[in-house]
Amino acid sequence: DAKTTQPPSMDCAEGRAANLPCNHSTISGNEYVYWYRQIHSQGPQYIIHGLKNNETNEMASLIITEDRKSSTLILPHATLRDTAVYYCIVRSQGGSEKLVFGKGMKLTVNP
Amino acid sequence: GAVVSQHPSRVICKSGTSVKIECRSLDFQATTMFWYRQFPKQSLMLMATSNEGSKATYEQGVEKDKFLINHASLTLSTLTVTSAHPEDSSFYICSAGGGGETQYFGPGTRLLVL
Repeated sequence: DAKTTQPPSMDCAEGRAANLPCNHSTISGNEYVYWYRQIHSQGPQYIIHGLKNNETNEMASLIITEDRKSSTLILPHATLRDTAVYYCIVRSQGGSEKLVFGKGMKLTVNP
Repeated sequence: GAVVSQHPSRVICKSGTSVKIECRSLDFQATTMFWYRQFPKQSLMLMATSNEGSKATYEQGVEKDKFLINHASLTLSTLTVTSAHPEDSSFYICSAGGGGETQYFGPGTRLLVL
């Protein structure tokens, strides 16, 4: 079973920042928080991951609370192409560790 | 990020036939690959973990004799759906992980069994 909870959907205006929340209250000390997104009829796309420090890359920023029980993915300037289902996943370190997908959150960016 | 390809992207087959789907890591060596299945309006469900040079590990409820997995090299894993039936129609997606922390996904293969 997925160890994360996300709202089922969210809308955002184009050009605005999109803040996507995720709860992972049972996260273990060696588990990372990963974010992927899936655009319709495509394979999931890796966005970002982190352990406890905030992370930023060219796609997004990841803010993890100090107690690590929740996190927020931030898309600083949402575009229509960011419309997708976003998955927040917790997973142990290592490329051989499996990813368990929950239901994710549908983000719709509106013009 | 790393690139993972799948072939074919779409396949239509008759009931009772077998279909092979290939998953390749193009610019890195993948010691582990994963196979997922996704039905319409549902999330990805992990089917099996494929380790190079060893037998695959199947998730509970996935028939290993029906979904044959071969991971013969560090860049190629294949999934063969044997004796396909209409209920096997789905979107099959693979992912590959190397020595790093991140898994990268292929574009998926849409299977339609008539």
